[in-house]
Amino acid sequence: ELKVEQNPLFLSMQEGKNYTIYCNYSTTSDRLYWYRQDPGKSLESLFVLLSNGAVKQEGRLMASLDTKARLSTLHITAAVHDLSATYFCAVLSGGYNKLIFGAGTRLAVHP
Amino acid sequence: EAQVTQNPRYLITVTGKKLTVTCSQNMNHEYMSWYRQDPGLGLRQIYYSMNVEVTDKGDVPEGYKVSRKEKRNFPLILESPSPNQTSLYFCASSLSFYKGRRGVNTEAFFGQGTRLTVV
Repeated sequence: ELKVEQNPLFLSMQEGKNYTIYCNYSTTSDRLYWYRQDPGKSLESLFVLLSNGAVKQEGRLMASLDTKARLSTLHITAAVHDLSATYFCAVLSGGYNKLIFGAGTRLAVHP
Repeated sequence: EAQVTQNPRYLITVTGKKLTVTCSQNMNHEYMSWYRQDPGLGLRQIYYSMNVEVTDKGDVPEGYKVSRKEKRNFPLILESPSPNQTSLYFCASSLSFYKGRRGVNTEAFFGQGTRLTVV
């Protein structure tokens, strides 16, 4: 059964600092998604990673995928307050019928 | 504008009173799904549909029903709601995930959410 683990679950960062969120999954998958959720809001798609070694960047966020290690990272560069949100990774199941979500990382960026 | 629309956004109801949460998408997506989000548990899939008239259980289907009579609509039905179904519900849609194997973008789009309280 596919399991997805994110860490840390809570991250308090200073503005301007860098940090990385990790997403490990237990069985082979060919697709990994990153989402952002603001309090009380829906999920906003950030990245879809399709292959080993895939790297995508948008602004201060960069996501990468290592399918051999079953690991994806979401790297935050020079954090700003606007990045405060909960970040979820989700892995496509082997049956291609659902996304299995991690528990989410709640990010708080403060001055 | 491409979107997934859920209604209602907020609902307070009493135990046992049947309710339906509607979900509609305008992107001609084959795949639709319902999730519930609870604190500390992340998002868990309730039901999904691979196409019209094709539905199947997800991880937490007890107490829920769905139907997919048209491609664009995927309503979630609670025949006899109970307090443990108090949660935040999301509908999602995408192209068939199988198409991603041919390089097609299978990004999943989520509705705005329905906050349900059962008293």
